[in-house]
Amino acid sequence: DADVTQTPRNRITKTGKRIMLECSQTKGHDRMYWYRQDPGLGLRLIYYSFDVKDINKGEISDGYSVSRQAQAKFSLSLESAIPNQTALYFCATCGGVTDTQYFGPGTRLTVL
Amino acid sequence: AQSVTQPDIHITVSEGASLELRCNYSYGATPYLFWYVQSPGQGLQLLLKYFSGDTLVQGIKGFEAEFKRSQSSFNLRKPSVHWSDAAEYFCAVGLYSGGGADGLTFGKGTHLIIQP
Repeated sequence: DADVTQTPRNRITKTGKRIMLECSQTKGHDRMYWYRQDPGLGLRLIYYSFDVKDINKGEISDGYSVSRQAQAKFSLSLESAIPNQTALYFCATCGGVTDTQYFGPGTRLTVL
Repeated sequence: AQSVTQPDIHITVSEGASLELRCNYSYGATPYLFWYVQSPGQGLQLLLKYFSGDTLVQGIKGFEAEFKRSQSSFNLRKPSVHWSDAAEYFCAVGLYSGGGADGLTFGKGTHLIIQP
């Protein structure tokens, strides 16, 4: 089984809908992250969390919210989806300051 | 603010030829540097990382990278590419404060095409 899983893998939704993307990990890491990837822009950080009580905004947090339900689960929500949120979303985990970030397989989100 | 520049959007290399992908960073402190690879339809896989010590870093799949502080560069190299190396390559710099890993800043990527 994969260490970092994301559900759903693909999602098509309509403008104005609320949507939640979920991330789970079995690596036992405290740190978790959400990124979005747009063609030609690389990956940009949306939110990150050091533990269930520590949530931090990243570079592009507007229009998004997150919830850290447990050490192993970190969800990203779009309260009212808009077309420019169409992107590939990645969750990642990290075990410590000098550790690597491990990425999930990604969720492809399309907002019509 | 920190930033990462990958000057080459696309690079085409013949199979068996050598490869160098460029990466320059802007960061106020000693950087933690990474190279990731993304194959079509896949997630990101770490090729190598630099935290400290030897400035020439060996990674997986025969890749290496050299950290040059004076040039603010962390270029990725491979002596002989294989068709399976065709992918998107991302350079990233780690943001760390207060002893925590605050996230990565990525370059925009270099798309590597391998010619037969």
